[in-house]
Amino acid sequence: QVQLQESGPGLVKPSETLSLTCTVSGGSISTYYWSWIRQPPGKGLEWIGYINYSGSSYYNPSLKSRVTISVDTSKNQFSLKVSSVTAADTAVYYCARMGTYGYAMDVWGQGTTVTVSS
Amino acid sequence: QSALTQPASVSGSPGQSITISCTGTSSDVGSYNLVSWYQQYPGKVPKLLIYEVSKWPSGVSDRFSGSKSGNTASLTISGLQAEDEADYYCCSYAGSSTRFVFGTGTKVTVL
Repeated sequence: QVQLQESGPGLVKPSETLSLTCTVSGGSISTYYWSWIRQPPGKGLEWIGYINYSGSSYYNPSLKSRVTISVDTSKNQFSLKVSSVTAADTAVYYCARMGTYGYAMDVWGQGTTVTVSS
Repeated sequence: QSALTQPASVSGSPGQSITISCTGTSSDVGSYNLVSWYQQYPGKVPKLLIYEVSKWPSGVSDRFSGSKSGNTASLTISGLQAEDEADYYCCSYAGSSTRFVFGTGTKVTVL
């Protein structure tokens, strides 16, 4: 049973870089695609981007200039960086797996809350 | 790329059927049979209900069904139950530039 767990700072200052890691357990990261999704408080889901095990990444055009997703197959982890954050980046950040059912996200992490505030 | 449009809320009585629409454009929903649906309880993690418009992942009840016509996808919940009260989101592939876009979300209330 594959499980995902997000980790990283819960508080980030404005203009700094938000960094999160998703650890994959119970299975290999060297298959499937791996996504990041976020949900601002009281709002809907927003797709951020995804990466495959070989490192090919794709981003939401509205965030592309500030987002980087990377993968570390040796640690079975993938990561998200969002630069120049503002209060609008405050959200619950989820990592998720795609590929078992086409492009649908079938396994999700528990989510981690990131607040952007000074 | 704008979010797909869903009704803010839909309600129904136990046992009834309800349908949630997800309206996009010819660049996303209308062009690809890659619409998925997710259920989310407050404060909880989204759960995959439907993929590729109308297919069920393993373990999902067949009370949930999906369809598509033109630029609009739909999720139907049959035999509505109290446990179906949750938020529902659609998501569509939107081509090689945009990739994925979520819907605005629909709150389902069981009367």
